[in-house]
Amino acid sequence: EADIYQTPRYLVIGTGKKITLECSQTMGHDKMYWYQQDPGMELHLIHYSYGVNSTEKGDLSSESTVSRIRTEHFPLTLESARPSHTSQYLCASSRQGGEKLFFGSGTQLSVL
Amino acid sequence: QKEVEQDPGPLSVPEGAIVSLNCTYSNSAFQYFMWYRQYSRKGPELLMYTYSSGNKEDGRFTAQVDKSSKYISLFIRDSQPSDSATYLCAMSGGTNAGKSTFGDGTTLTVKP
Repeated sequence: EADIYQTPRYLVIGTGKKITLECSQTMGHDKMYWYQQDPGMELHLIHYSYGVNSTEKGDLSSESTVSRIRTEHFPLTLESARPSHTSQYLCASSRQGGEKLFFGSGTQLSVL
Repeated sequence: QKEVEQDPGPLSVPEGAIVSLNCTYSNSAFQYFMWYRQYSRKGPELLMYTYSSGNKEDGRFTAQVDKSSKYISLFIRDSQPSDSATYLCAMSGGTNAGKSTFGDGTTLTVKP
């Protein structure tokens, strides 16, 4: 069983609030990723990191930001949530090489 | 046009049936091909991983890759109700090395 954890599982919040989605892994993986998934749609990569102090934007433009201060921790922050941010956010990690992803259970975000 | 197209759409089969899931892709640089299974309200989990062309078998699951046709398949033999889930194909390689591109998934229901 993969050891990657996301909190919270569900979040309902009002427009304009600042939120942070947490993601932690205990496998010592260098690579970590954030994907966004809407119902019936493919996963879209929004951020990735190849190691501490390394972050890059993914293929899908996102207003969120990420940080990687510790290997095991890769939080995602939205400074001002909007209804268009409503989606499921999935965090993943992999060993260097990156093809075999281990996913967390996701955070379902609803912005009212 | 999407880089990865997945079919069929939602699929419902009786228990014991053989299931065939397929993806086509346009990027000839893809070298790594994955299938993930995603249960409702969970993150995807890696089911099969194949490098380059060929077949790979794991229990009731067989993954096939035909790079010349840019076509990959997942076969499930003797399908069980516990196989009911969404199946996602993913691939990476070339300029997308280390970053997987996903299909939008096929939802499979196996009826007892």
